[in-house]
This record gives sequence, C-alpha cells and structure tokens, in this order.
Amino acid sequence: SQELEQSPQSLIVQEGKNLTINCTSSKTLYGLYWYKQKYGEGLIFLMMLQKGGEEKSHEKITAKLDEKKQQSSLHITASQPSHAGIYLCGAVHSSNTGKLIFGQGTTLQVKP
Amino acid sequence: NAGVTQTPKFRVLKTGQSMTLLCAQDMNHEYMYWYRQDPGMGLRLIHYSVGEGTTAKGEVPDGYNVSRLKKQNFLLGLESAAPSQTSVYFCASSWWATKNTEAFFGQGTRLTVV
Repeated sequence: SQELEQSPQSLIVQEGKNLTINCTSSKTLYGLYWYKQKYGEGLIFLMMLQKGGEEKSHEKITAKLDEKKQQSSLHITASQPSHAGIYLCGAVHSSNTGKLIFGQGTTLQVKP
Repeated sequence: NAGVTQTPKFRVLKTGQSMTLLCAQDMNHEYMYWYRQDPGMGLRLIHYSVGEGTTAKGEVPDGYNVSRLKKQNFLLGLESAAPSQTSVYFCASSWWATKNTEAFFGQGTRLTVV
C-alpha cells in the first residue's frame, strides 16, 4: 500500500550482523503489526505496537513505534540464517474501520 | 483448534471461469480479510468484513466479490477469472475488540489462471 512504505525492499547481510527495517505511514497509526513469512509459506506474527514510544522484543528482534505513531522500525541483533524471509508491516489507521493494510515487504537474506 | 482454514490450497483456472475461495475461522472473530500476494508487492487488501453480513472494499477490489453470510465464513468469488488474478490469496481474521490482538492468517491459496 502507498499508505505504508517499507524500506529497504531487500537486504542481504552477513550472519552475525545487525540490521534494521523501517515502516513509514502517511497517517497516524492506531496499531502496527510485524509479520514474518518464509518463502512459500504462511505468515508468522511477531509483534503488535499501539502506543507512541512503545518498544517490544522477542528473542533477538526488537520493534519500536515512534512517538508520533507514524513510523516503526524492526531491528534484528546478530542475524542468523533462520531470520531469512520476508518481513511485512501491517497497520490499522482507524479504530472504527478495522481496515488492515500492509507494506510491500522487505526480503532478508542472511549469508552464513 | 484449526484457526483459519482456506480451501482450496491450489487451483488452476481457465480464463473466464469462475470460482469461490472459502475462508473459515473457529475463533469467533468479528473481522475477516482477503489479501492477494504478488512478488515484490507485499499483501494487498481485496475486501474485508467487520462482522456478519457486512463487507467493504479494500485496495484492489475490482474483479472480486465477497460474502459473509455466517460469522465464521468469508467467501471470495471470481466471476470471470483473468490471468492478472494469478496470485497467492491469503485470508485473515482478528478480534479487534481489545488491544494487542494479532490477525491470524490462513496458509494461502495458490491460484493460476491460464
């Protein structure tokens, strides 16, 4: 969706390196989701953020939502081959509609 | 607990044929969604529903119709399939009644239109 932009579109990193994926919204976010998808498979829920300034972590993955609630970053520390896949950010802009849209995804490759 | 189940998992259609994709959830979720996924384009919302009997257009609704006659089912129809509708289709459902609720996804339907 053009309302939700992810960057970079693709990323190749050496195993052990840190990386960051960004998700920027043109509107204030009501809720922001991060999902991971392995090639040819379904989506795995990582985290959901709602409050400005909120930060959540799961294993070596940390996601933050900025104070203005228009940008989120996903940071992976000490990347591993198991982190490879497509990362998708999803957003709900209004609590009334429940309309959940996604960015175009970031493809991550981790070289051993 | 099955979660979100999509049928069929694979389908090949000829141009002009019609078909219906079924999404069923057993979590009593209010919200249901249909997306299509094409390389490099993430997930694009086709239609969604905020409750039984309701439907709304998403980002790419043309060529598709939906119905939600029962709360647990969300059907996606293609009346006259076109090669441009070749894609992987995902269904999702969520509560959206409380905070920190994830959207649950089905495993996808791979549709090829020849």
